[in-house]
Amino acid sequence: SQTIHQWPATLVQPVGSPLSLECTVEGTSNPNLYWYRQAAGRGLQLLFYSVGIGQISSEVPQNLSASRPQDRQFILSSKKLLLSDSGFYLCAWKQGGTNEKLFFGSGTQLSVL
Amino acid sequence: GNSVTQMEGPVTLSEEAFLTINCTYTATGYPSLFWYVQYPGEGLQLLLKATKADDKGSNKGFEATYRKETTSFHLEKGSVQVSDSAVYFCALRPGSARQLTFGSGTQLTVLP
Repeated sequence: SQTIHQWPATLVQPVGSPLSLECTVEGTSNPNLYWYRQAAGRGLQLLFYSVGIGQISSEVPQNLSASRPQDRQFILSSKKLLLSDSGFYLCAWKQGGTNEKLFFGSGTQLSVL
Repeated sequence: GNSVTQMEGPVTLSEEAFLTINCTYTATGYPSLFWYVQYPGEGLQLLLKATKADDKGSNKGFEATYRKETTSFHLEKGSVQVSDSAVYFCALRPGSARQLTFGSGTQLTVLP
């Protein structure tokens, strides 16, 4: 069966520090991978998606970047965190094609102080 | 642009009460509509979906009907249980898009 792992679950970082959130998927190959963020009081916003190794699409301009060094690994990074980067980050995957079912990780609550 | 508006929570109900969580949307074209649920300590899961007008999605006693005339996709359940306590997200996917647009989520707490 397929599983998705996301870590850490919670993170407190000072402004200006770097960030690395990691997401891995098991039990499938060639998944589409996604990073979402939910800021306080707002909906889930798509940040990045990837349809293959090294292929990253960004949906919104921001202080963050994403990388996909391996087929089932998706990393969210920042060189210098801002206060506005605080939020709840979710990694997700789905099979390519028309299958619409998204599988989400358990999320990372990031607090930038 | 595309957007989803969900009723603000939190919502607190007694067991066996009737549940409605309102969701309205703005989208170009003919989107697919979804409800996702996040139980405590778990990731989001797809609860139900509808892909065209007048379709009714249903799962685990929950239902939602795609109403194009009112651009709504309200979630309902006739008799909630304590185990239904979770955060519920309404979402849409425009016909040709890859990504989902989510509402802000509604926290539901069901008391015994």
